[in-house]
Amino acid sequence: AQSVTQPDIHITVSEGASLELRCNYSYGATPYLFWYVQSPGQGLQLLLKYFSGDTLVQGIKGFEAEFKRSQSSFNLRKPSVHWSDAAEYFCAVGVRETSGSRLTFGEGTQLTVNP
Amino acid sequence: GAGVSQSPSNKVTEKGKDVELRCDPISGHTALYWYRQSLGQGLEFLIYFQGNSAPDKSGLPSDRFSAERTGGSVSTLTIQRTQQEDSAVYLCASSLDSWTRDTQYFGPGTRLTVL
Repeated sequence: AQSVTQPDIHITVSEGASLELRCNYSYGATPYLFWYVQSPGQGLQLLLKYFSGDTLVQGIKGFEAEFKRSQSSFNLRKPSVHWSDAAEYFCAVGVRETSGSRLTFGEGTQLTVNP
Repeated sequence: GAGVSQSPSNKVTEKGKDVELRCDPISGHTALYWYRQSLGQGLEFLIYFQGNSAPDKSGLPSDRFSAERTGGSVSTLTIQRTQQEDSAVYLCASSLDSWTRDTQYFGPGTRLTVL
């Protein structure tokens, strides 16, 4: 069965510093990978997604992620964090099954940004 | 255009009561998903609808949970005889169709508290 691991439950960075959030997946077939962000009281917003092709994917709000098949990873990065980036970030793998499709999510990483 | 909407935004109920949660997907989206977000469990898939096909109910945690989608649009998630462990945020998402690569757009969620 598929699974997603986000090793860091909570990360704190200073405003302006670089950020990397880790994500590892386990899935037997070609993965479709997503990063979502959830601000307090808000639903999930898609940051970026990877389906195929270029392994470096650009997203909204200055985020990017790199798919590394050899490491089964899809880490999210941002060169300079803004205070408004404080939120919870979820990595997910899209799974296509005979009965339909669904997203399997990691546990999430809570990001705190210090001024 | 309008995004996914859910109602109510908050619901407090007593143990043993039945509750209904509503989801209005984005117009034209044929696929609709329900997820549950709770402490200790992360984001769990519950059920998925694609057009007029039979729903994928494999994520429903017990037979107290059911969902329907009328006219291929609005969906209602019903929890009968609520238990305290049902307390969670229930998220609805929709996508153009069930193809895994289609982005799922999430609503703001319904926070359910069972006393």
